[in-house]
Amino acid sequence: KNEVEQSPQNLTAQEGEFITINCSYSVGISALHWLQQHPGGGIVSLFMLSSGKKKHGRLIATINIQEKHSSLHITASHPRDSAVYICAVGDTGNQFYFGTGTSLTVIP
Amino acid sequence: KAGVTQTPRYLIKTRGQQVTLSCSPISGHRSVSWYQQTPGQGLQFLFEYFSETQRNKGNFPGRFSGRQFSNSRSEMNVSTLELGDSALYLCASSLGYPSAQETQYFGPGTRLLVL
Repeated sequence: KNEVEQSPQNLTAQEGEFITINCSYSVGISALHWLQQHPGGGIVSLFMLSSGKKKHGRLIATINIQEKHSSLHITASHPRDSAVYICAVGDTGNQFYFGTGTSLTVIP
Repeated sequence: KAGVTQTPRYLIKTRGQQVTLSCSPISGHRSVSWYQQTPGQGLQFLFEYFSETQRNKGNFPGRFSGRQFSNSRSEMNVSTLELGDSALYLCASSLGYPSAQETQYFGPGTRLLVL
Protein backbone atom coordinates (compact mmCIF):
# COMPACT_ATOMS: atom_id res chain seq x y z
CA LYS A 1 0.00 0.00 0.00
CA ASN A 2 1.37 3.39 -1.01
CA GLU A 3 1.04 6.14 1.55
CA VAL A 4 1.31 8.75 -1.23
CA GLU A 5 -0.35 8.52 -4.63
CA GLN A 6 0.31 10.92 -7.47
CA SER A 7 -1.48 11.48 -10.75
CA PRO A 8 -0.90 11.58 -13.58
CA GLN A 9 2.30 9.54 -13.91
CA ASN A 10 3.17 11.19 -17.20
CA LEU A 11 2.04 14.48 -18.62
CA THR A 12 2.78 16.19 -21.94
CA ALA A 13 1.70 19.78 -22.43
CA GLN A 14 2.06 22.51 -24.99
CA GLU A 15 3.97 25.60 -23.95
CA GLY A 16 1.64 28.06 -22.26
CA GLU A 17 -0.82 25.48 -20.96
CA PHE A 18 -2.06 25.37 -17.36
CA ILE A 19 -0.89 22.19 -15.62
CA THR A 20 -2.19 20.40 -12.55
CA ILE A 21 -0.52 17.53 -10.71
CA ASN A 22 -2.42 15.80 -7.94
CA CYS A 23 -1.26 14.11 -4.74
CA SER A 24 -3.32 12.08 -2.29
CA TYR A 25 -2.01 10.65 0.95
CA SER A 26 -3.31 8.25 3.57
CA VAL A 27 -1.31 9.13 6.69
CA GLY A 28 -1.63 11.93 9.20
CA ILE A 29 0.92 14.51 8.18
CA SER A 30 2.98 17.25 9.73
CA ALA A 31 3.83 18.76 6.33
CA LEU A 32 3.63 18.08 2.61
CA HIS A 33 6.47 18.84 0.22
CA TRP A 34 6.58 19.32 -3.53
CA LEU A 35 9.95 18.53 -5.10
CA GLN A 36 11.31 18.97 -8.61
CA GLN A 37 13.87 16.59 -10.08
CA HIS A 38 15.66 17.33 -13.32
CA PRO A 39 17.45 14.76 -15.48
CA GLY A 40 20.74 13.93 -13.80
CA GLY A 41 19.13 13.60 -10.41
CA GLY A 42 19.28 17.03 -8.75
CA ILE A 43 16.26 17.65 -6.49
CA VAL A 44 14.94 21.07 -5.55
CA SER A 45 12.33 21.72 -2.91
CA LEU A 46 9.53 23.81 -4.41
CA PHE A 47 7.07 24.07 -1.54
CA MET A 48 6.49 22.92 1.98
CA LEU A 49 2.96 23.39 3.26
CA SER A 50 0.70 22.18 6.01
CA SER A 51 -2.41 24.20 5.18
CA GLY A 52 -3.89 26.50 2.57
CA LYS A 53 -2.03 27.69 -0.47
CA LYS A 54 1.41 28.92 -1.45
CA LYS A 55 2.55 30.69 -4.61
CA HIS A 56 5.99 31.18 -6.06
CA GLY A 57 6.19 32.74 -9.48
CA ARG A 58 4.17 30.58 -11.87
CA LEU A 59 3.85 27.75 -9.37
CA ILE A 60 0.96 27.34 -6.94
CA ALA A 61 0.56 24.60 -4.35
CA THR A 62 -2.63 23.90 -2.42
CA ILE A 63 -3.50 21.43 0.28
CA ASN A 64 -6.81 20.21 1.72
CA ILE A 65 -6.07 18.54 5.03
CA GLN A 66 -9.60 17.16 5.49
CA GLU A 67 -9.54 15.49 2.07
CA LYS A 68 -5.85 14.51 2.35
CA HIS A 69 -5.14 15.97 -1.05
CA SER A 70 -2.73 18.46 -2.54
CA SER A 71 -2.32 19.94 -5.99
CA LEU A 72 0.59 21.58 -7.75
CA HIS A 73 -0.35 24.00 -10.50
CA ILE A 74 1.94 25.49 -13.14
CA THR A 75 0.58 28.47 -15.00
CA ALA A 76 1.86 29.43 -18.46
CA SER A 77 4.04 26.32 -18.69
CA HIS A 78 7.45 26.56 -20.33
CA PRO A 79 9.83 23.91 -21.69
CA ARG A 80 12.19 24.59 -18.77
CA ASP A 81 9.43 23.27 -16.48
CA SER A 82 10.05 19.79 -17.95
CA ALA A 83 11.08 17.64 -15.00
CA VAL A 84 9.77 15.04 -12.59
CA TYR A 85 7.58 16.47 -9.84
CA ILE A 86 7.46 14.51 -6.60
CA CYS A 87 5.03 14.82 -3.73
CA ALA A 88 6.36 13.85 -0.31
CA VAL A 89 4.75 13.83 3.11
CA GLY A 90 6.26 13.91 6.56
CA ASP A 91 3.96 12.00 8.85
CA THR A 92 3.29 12.76 12.50
CA GLY A 93 6.09 10.34 13.41
CA ASN A 94 8.47 12.31 11.17
CA GLN A 95 8.79 9.52 8.66
CA PHE A 96 9.03 10.63 5.04
CA TYR A 97 6.97 9.05 2.28
CA PHE A 98 7.30 9.84 -1.41
CA GLY A 99 4.98 9.59 -4.37
CA THR A 100 6.24 7.92 -7.51
CA GLY A 101 6.51 11.23 -9.31
CA THR A 102 4.90 12.88 -12.32
CA SER A 103 7.08 13.21 -15.40
CA LEU A 104 6.21 16.46 -17.15
CA THR A 105 7.27 17.33 -20.69
CA VAL A 106 6.42 20.77 -22.04
CA ILE A 107 6.65 21.04 -25.81
CA PRO A 108 7.56 24.40 -27.41
CA LYS B 1 26.69 29.70 0.85
CA ALA B 2 27.88 26.48 -0.63
CA GLY B 3 25.22 23.87 -1.23
CA VAL B 4 25.05 20.32 0.03
CA THR B 5 27.98 18.29 -1.24
CA GLN B 6 28.24 14.54 -1.54
CA THR B 7 31.28 12.41 -2.20
CA PRO B 8 31.99 10.41 -4.16
CA ARG B 9 29.62 11.16 -7.03
CA TYR B 10 29.98 7.74 -8.63
CA LEU B 11 31.02 4.42 -7.20
CA ILE B 12 31.30 0.87 -8.49
CA LYS B 13 31.51 -1.97 -5.99
CA THR B 14 31.08 -5.73 -6.07
CA ARG B 15 28.69 -7.84 -4.07
CA GLY B 16 29.78 -8.44 -0.50
CA GLN B 17 31.88 -5.30 -0.25
CA GLN B 18 31.03 -2.36 1.94
CA VAL B 19 30.79 1.31 1.03
CA THR B 20 30.87 4.63 2.86
CA LEU B 21 29.24 7.74 1.42
CA SER B 22 29.80 11.24 2.71
CA CYS B 23 27.54 14.28 2.93
CA SER B 24 28.46 17.83 3.92
CA PRO B 25 25.41 19.95 4.75
CA ILE B 26 24.93 23.64 4.13
CA SER B 27 26.79 25.65 6.74
CA GLY B 28 24.58 26.12 9.79
CA HIS B 29 22.27 23.24 8.97
CA ARG B 30 22.13 20.68 11.73
CA SER B 31 19.87 18.00 10.27
CA VAL B 32 20.95 15.55 7.60
CA SER B 33 18.65 13.01 6.01
CA TRP B 34 19.53 10.20 3.64
CA TYR B 35 17.41 8.77 0.85
CA GLN B 36 17.69 5.94 -1.65
CA GLN B 37 16.28 6.31 -5.16
CA THR B 38 15.82 3.36 -7.51
CA PRO B 39 13.78 3.01 -10.71
CA GLY B 40 11.64 0.32 -9.12
CA GLN B 41 10.99 1.72 -5.65
CA GLY B 42 11.42 5.44 -6.26
CA LEU B 43 12.59 7.59 -3.38
CA GLN B 44 12.73 6.01 0.05
CA PHE B 45 13.72 7.49 3.39
CA LEU B 46 16.75 5.88 5.02
CA PHE B 47 17.42 7.87 8.17
CA GLU B 48 17.73 11.32 9.69
CA TYR B 49 20.45 12.66 11.96
CA PHE B 50 20.32 15.71 14.16
CA SER B 51 22.88 16.75 16.75
CA GLU B 52 24.93 13.61 16.11
CA THR B 53 21.97 11.35 16.96
CA GLN B 54 19.85 9.23 14.66
CA ARG B 55 16.34 10.55 15.13
CA ASN B 56 14.34 8.57 12.57
CA LYS B 57 14.91 5.47 10.53
CA GLY B 58 13.14 4.12 7.47
CA ASN B 59 12.39 0.50 6.70
CA PHE B 60 15.84 -0.69 5.67
CA PRO B 61 17.91 -3.61 6.97
CA GLY B 62 20.66 -3.14 9.52
CA ARG B 63 23.26 -3.28 6.75
CA PHE B 64 22.46 0.38 6.25
CA SER B 65 23.88 2.60 8.95
CA GLY B 66 25.06 6.11 9.38
CA ARG B 67 26.52 8.66 11.70
CA GLN B 68 26.82 12.38 12.10
CA PHE B 69 29.82 14.29 13.32
CA SER B 70 29.99 17.36 15.53
CA ASN B 71 30.34 19.60 12.45
CA SER B 72 27.05 18.12 11.12
CA ARG B 73 28.78 16.24 8.33
CA SER B 74 27.29 12.80 7.89
CA GLU B 75 28.34 9.45 6.52
CA MET B 76 26.28 6.45 5.60
CA ASN B 77 27.63 2.95 5.35
CA VAL B 78 26.27 -0.07 3.55
CA SER B 79 27.83 -3.38 4.45
CA THR B 80 27.68 -6.67 2.55
CA LEU B 81 26.49 -5.01 -0.63
CA GLU B 82 23.78 -6.66 -2.70
CA LEU B 83 22.90 -6.09 -6.34
CA GLY B 84 19.67 -4.43 -5.22
CA ASP B 85 21.64 -1.73 -3.40
CA SER B 86 22.50 -0.17 -6.76
CA ALA B 87 20.83 3.22 -6.53
CA LEU B 88 21.20 6.95 -6.33
CA TYR B 89 21.83 7.91 -2.71
CA LEU B 90 20.78 11.42 -1.85
CA CYS B 91 21.35 13.42 1.26
CA ALA B 92 19.50 16.54 2.25
CA SER B 93 20.13 19.08 4.96
CA SER B 94 17.81 21.36 6.86
CA LEU B 95 18.24 23.93 9.58
CA GLY B 96 16.54 22.04 12.34
CA TYR B 97 14.64 18.95 13.36
CA PRO B 98 12.42 17.34 12.28
CA SER B 99 13.33 17.73 8.64
CA ALA B 100 9.80 16.63 7.74
CA GLN B 101 8.71 20.09 8.88
CA GLU B 102 11.57 22.01 7.28
CA THR B 103 12.62 22.94 3.78
CA GLN B 104 15.25 20.43 2.73
CA TYR B 105 18.20 21.14 0.47
CA PHE B 106 19.37 18.17 -1.53
CA GLY B 107 22.84 17.22 -2.61
CA PRO B 108 23.63 15.96 -6.14
CA GLY B 109 23.68 12.35 -5.00
CA THR B 110 26.09 9.44 -5.14
CA ARG B 111 25.34 6.90 -7.85
CA LEU B 112 26.30 3.43 -6.61
CA LEU B 113 26.54 0.47 -8.92
CA VAL B 114 26.96 -2.97 -7.38
CA LEU B 115 28.26 -5.68 -9.72
